[in-house]
Amino acid sequence: DTAVSQTPKYLVTQMGNDKSIKCEQNLGHDTMYWYKQDSKKFLKIMFSYNNKELIINETVPNRFSPKSPDKAHLNLHINSLELGDSAVYFCASSQGPTQPQHFGDGTRLSIL
Amino acid sequence: AQTVTQSQPEMSVQEAETVTLSCTYDTSESDYYLFWYKQPPSRQMILVIRQEAYKQQNATENRFSVNFQKAAKSFSLKISDSQLGDAAMYFCAYNAGGTSYGKLTFGQGTILTVHP
Repeated sequence: DTAVSQTPKYLVTQMGNDKSIKCEQNLGHDTMYWYKQDSKKFLKIMFSYNNKELIINETVPNRFSPKSPDKAHLNLHINSLELGDSAVYFCASSQGPTQPQHFGDGTRLSIL
Repeated sequence: AQTVTQSQPEMSVQEAETVTLSCTYDTSESDYYLFWYKQPPSRQMILVIRQEAYKQQNATENRFSVNFQKAAKSFSLKISDSQLGDAAMYFCAYNAGGTSYGKLTFGQGTILTVHP
Protein backbone atom coordinates (compact mmCIF):
# COMPACT_ATOMS: atom_id res chain seq x y z
CA ASP A 1 0.00 0.00 0.00
CA THR A 2 1.78 3.13 -1.26
CA ALA A 3 2.16 5.80 1.43
CA VAL A 4 2.76 8.84 -0.81
CA SER A 5 1.73 8.41 -4.42
CA GLN A 6 2.26 10.82 -7.29
CA THR A 7 0.77 10.73 -10.74
CA PRO A 8 1.97 10.71 -13.40
CA LYS A 9 5.47 9.28 -12.95
CA TYR A 10 6.60 10.73 -16.26
CA LEU A 11 5.32 13.78 -18.10
CA VAL A 12 6.59 14.85 -21.51
CA THR A 13 5.07 17.97 -22.97
CA GLN A 14 5.67 20.99 -25.16
CA MET A 15 6.80 24.41 -24.05
CA GLY A 16 3.87 26.70 -23.31
CA ASN A 17 1.50 23.93 -22.21
CA ASP A 18 -0.23 23.67 -18.83
CA LYS A 19 0.10 20.50 -16.78
CA SER A 20 -0.77 19.14 -13.35
CA ILE A 21 0.85 16.64 -11.01
CA LYS A 22 -1.26 14.96 -8.37
CA CYS A 23 -0.15 13.77 -4.95
CA GLU A 24 -1.99 11.74 -2.35
CA GLN A 25 -0.85 10.41 1.02
CA ASN A 26 -2.57 7.75 3.13
CA LEU A 27 -0.41 8.23 6.22
CA GLY A 28 -2.79 10.61 7.96
CA HIS A 29 -0.14 13.34 7.95
CA ASP A 30 -1.05 17.00 8.39
CA THR A 31 1.76 18.53 6.35
CA MET A 32 2.59 18.08 2.67
CA TYR A 33 5.39 19.47 0.53
CA TRP A 34 6.57 19.91 -3.03
CA TYR A 35 10.29 19.73 -3.84
CA LYS A 36 12.08 20.22 -7.14
CA GLN A 37 15.18 18.19 -8.06
CA ASP A 38 17.12 19.75 -10.91
CA SER A 39 19.42 18.13 -13.44
CA LYS A 40 22.34 18.29 -11.00
CA LYS A 41 20.23 16.39 -8.44
CA PHE A 42 19.91 19.42 -6.19
CA LEU A 43 16.70 19.32 -4.13
CA LYS A 44 14.90 22.51 -3.14
CA ILE A 45 11.60 23.05 -1.44
CA MET A 46 8.87 24.83 -3.38
CA PHE A 47 5.77 24.75 -1.20
CA SER A 48 4.44 23.38 2.06
CA TYR A 49 0.85 23.00 3.22
CA ASN A 50 -0.36 22.27 6.72
CA ASN A 51 -3.96 21.10 6.97
CA LYS A 52 -4.81 22.62 3.58
CA GLU A 53 -3.21 25.95 4.45
CA LEU A 54 -0.16 27.26 2.55
CA ILE A 55 2.70 27.84 4.99
CA ILE A 56 5.81 27.85 2.80
CA ASN A 57 6.05 29.50 -0.58
CA GLU A 58 9.66 29.71 -1.65
CA THR A 59 10.69 31.99 -4.51
CA VAL A 60 8.79 30.01 -7.11
CA PRO A 61 7.41 31.64 -10.28
CA ASN A 62 3.70 32.27 -9.99
CA ARG A 63 3.19 29.94 -12.97
CA PHE A 64 3.35 27.24 -10.29
CA SER A 65 0.18 26.96 -8.24
CA PRO A 66 -0.31 24.33 -5.55
CA LYS A 67 -3.79 23.30 -4.47
CA SER A 68 -4.80 21.23 -1.46
CA PRO A 69 -8.43 20.10 -1.62
CA ASP A 70 -8.01 18.21 1.66
CA LYS A 71 -5.11 17.33 3.91
CA ALA A 72 -4.45 14.05 2.10
CA HIS A 73 -3.98 15.68 -1.30
CA LEU A 74 -1.63 18.31 -2.66
CA ASN A 75 -1.62 18.95 -6.38
CA LEU A 76 0.77 21.08 -8.40
CA HIS A 77 -0.42 22.95 -11.47
CA ILE A 78 2.09 24.56 -13.81
CA ASN A 79 1.09 27.10 -16.43
CA SER A 80 3.00 28.08 -19.57
CA LEU A 81 5.72 25.49 -19.15
CA GLU A 82 9.28 26.57 -19.89
CA LEU A 83 12.40 24.57 -20.72
CA GLY A 84 13.82 25.36 -17.28
CA ASP A 85 10.90 23.58 -15.64
CA SER A 86 12.33 20.24 -16.72
CA ALA A 87 13.12 18.45 -13.46
CA VAL A 88 11.92 15.76 -11.10
CA TYR A 89 9.17 16.96 -8.77
CA PHE A 90 8.75 15.21 -5.44
CA CYS A 91 5.77 15.30 -3.15
CA ALA A 92 6.35 14.53 0.54
CA SER A 93 4.37 14.45 3.76
CA SER A 94 5.09 14.46 7.48
CA GLN A 95 3.25 14.39 10.78
CA GLY A 96 4.32 17.82 11.92
CA PRO A 97 7.29 20.04 10.98
CA THR A 98 9.95 18.16 12.95
CA GLN A 99 9.07 14.64 11.90
CA PRO A 100 10.69 12.74 9.02
CA GLN A 101 9.26 13.43 5.61
CA HIS A 102 8.03 10.55 3.47
CA PHE A 103 8.53 11.09 -0.23
CA GLY A 104 6.62 9.96 -3.27
CA ASP A 105 8.47 8.36 -6.18
CA GLY A 106 8.76 11.63 -8.05
CA THR A 107 7.43 12.89 -11.38
CA ARG A 108 9.96 13.45 -14.14
CA LEU A 109 8.81 16.43 -16.19
CA SER A 110 10.46 16.87 -19.58
CA ILE A 111 9.75 19.94 -21.68
CA LEU A 112 10.37 19.65 -25.42
CA ALA B 1 20.21 31.38 5.88
CA GLN B 2 20.89 27.76 6.67
CA THR B 3 23.22 25.94 4.30
CA VAL B 4 24.23 22.31 4.08
CA THR B 5 27.51 21.23 2.49
CA GLN B 6 28.53 17.77 1.38
CA SER B 7 32.13 18.10 0.29
CA GLN B 8 32.46 14.62 -1.24
CA PRO B 9 30.75 14.46 -4.63
CA GLU B 10 31.65 10.76 -4.91
CA MET B 11 32.82 8.01 -2.59
CA SER B 12 33.49 4.33 -3.10
CA VAL B 13 33.77 1.36 -0.77
CA GLN B 14 34.39 -2.36 -1.00
CA GLU B 15 31.56 -4.66 -0.05
CA ALA B 16 31.65 -5.47 3.70
CA GLU B 17 33.89 -2.48 4.44
CA THR B 18 32.99 0.74 6.27
CA VAL B 19 32.58 4.16 4.69
CA THR B 20 31.88 7.60 6.15
CA LEU B 21 30.05 10.37 4.31
CA SER B 22 30.63 13.94 5.46
CA CYS B 23 28.15 16.76 6.00
CA THR B 24 28.52 20.19 7.53
CA TYR B 25 25.84 22.81 8.02
CA ASP B 26 25.51 26.40 9.02
CA THR B 27 22.82 27.63 11.37
CA SER B 28 22.22 30.08 14.18
CA GLU B 29 19.47 27.91 15.67
CA SER B 30 20.05 25.86 18.79
CA ASP B 31 17.26 23.36 18.22
CA TYR B 32 17.01 21.59 14.89
CA TYR B 33 16.89 18.22 13.18
CA LEU B 34 19.25 16.51 10.79
CA PHE B 35 18.55 13.70 8.36
CA TRP B 36 20.27 11.45 5.88
CA TYR B 37 18.26 10.36 2.86
CA LYS B 38 19.25 7.76 0.29
CA GLN B 39 18.28 8.02 -3.39
CA PRO B 40 19.00 4.84 -5.37
CA PRO B 41 18.81 4.81 -9.18
CA SER B 42 15.09 4.06 -8.84
CA ARG B 43 14.74 7.74 -7.82
CA GLN B 44 12.94 7.05 -4.51
CA MET B 45 13.95 9.20 -1.53
CA ILE B 46 14.40 6.89 1.44
CA LEU B 47 14.96 8.08 4.99
CA VAL B 48 18.12 6.54 6.44
CA ILE B 49 18.48 8.19 9.83
CA ARG B 50 17.34 11.17 11.92
CA GLN B 51 19.13 13.13 14.66
CA GLU B 52 17.65 15.67 17.04
CA ALA B 53 20.15 18.41 17.88
CA TYR B 54 19.18 18.44 21.56
CA LYS B 55 20.19 14.80 21.92
CA GLN B 56 23.86 14.21 22.63
CA GLN B 57 23.63 10.53 21.79
CA ASN B 58 24.40 9.70 18.17
CA ALA B 59 21.54 8.05 16.28
CA THR B 60 21.95 4.52 14.93
CA GLU B 61 19.83 2.39 12.61
CA ASN B 62 21.24 -1.09 12.12
CA ARG B 63 24.39 -0.68 9.96
CA PHE B 64 23.95 3.10 9.75
CA SER B 65 25.17 5.48 12.43
CA VAL B 66 25.98 9.15 12.65
CA ASN B 67 28.73 11.19 14.26
CA PHE B 68 26.98 14.38 15.34
CA GLN B 69 29.30 17.16 16.45
CA LYS B 70 27.05 20.10 17.36
CA ALA B 71 29.80 22.60 18.13
CA ALA B 72 31.55 21.83 14.86
CA LYS B 73 28.22 21.72 12.98
CA SER B 74 29.16 18.37 11.52
CA PHE B 75 26.90 15.39 10.83
CA SER B 76 28.63 12.45 9.17
CA LEU B 77 27.05 9.13 8.21
CA LYS B 78 28.90 5.86 8.79
CA ILE B 79 27.83 2.79 6.86
CA SER B 80 29.23 -0.44 8.28
CA ASP B 81 29.43 -3.78 6.48
CA SER B 82 28.57 -2.08 3.17
CA GLN B 83 26.27 -3.97 0.83
CA LEU B 84 25.72 -3.69 -2.90
CA GLY B 85 22.25 -2.35 -2.16
CA ASP B 86 23.77 0.63 -0.36
CA ALA B 87 24.90 2.06 -3.69
CA ALA B 88 22.97 5.30 -4.12
CA MET B 89 23.15 9.06 -3.84
CA TYR B 90 23.07 10.17 -0.21
CA PHE B 91 21.69 13.52 0.85
CA CYS B 92 22.21 15.27 4.15
CA ALA B 93 19.30 17.51 5.14
CA TYR B 94 18.65 20.14 7.80
CA ASN B 95 15.33 21.07 9.36
CA ALA B 96 15.03 24.02 11.74
CA GLY B 97 11.88 22.49 13.16
CA GLY B 98 8.93 24.66 14.02
CA THR B 99 10.53 27.90 12.91
CA SER B 100 10.98 26.57 9.37
CA TYR B 101 7.59 24.82 9.18
CA GLY B 102 9.34 21.59 8.20
CA LYS B 103 11.39 22.99 5.33
CA LEU B 104 14.25 20.62 4.51
CA THR B 105 17.47 22.18 3.25
CA PHE B 106 19.52 19.61 1.37
CA GLY B 107 23.20 19.24 0.65
CA GLN B 108 24.49 18.63 -2.86
CA GLY B 109 24.57 14.87 -2.41
CA THR B 110 27.30 12.21 -2.41
CA ILE B 111 27.26 9.35 -4.90
CA LEU B 112 28.28 6.13 -3.16
CA THR B 113 29.60 3.24 -5.24
CA VAL B 114 29.94 -0.20 -3.65
CA HIS B 115 32.43 -2.58 -5.27
CA PRO B 116 31.92 -6.34 -4.99
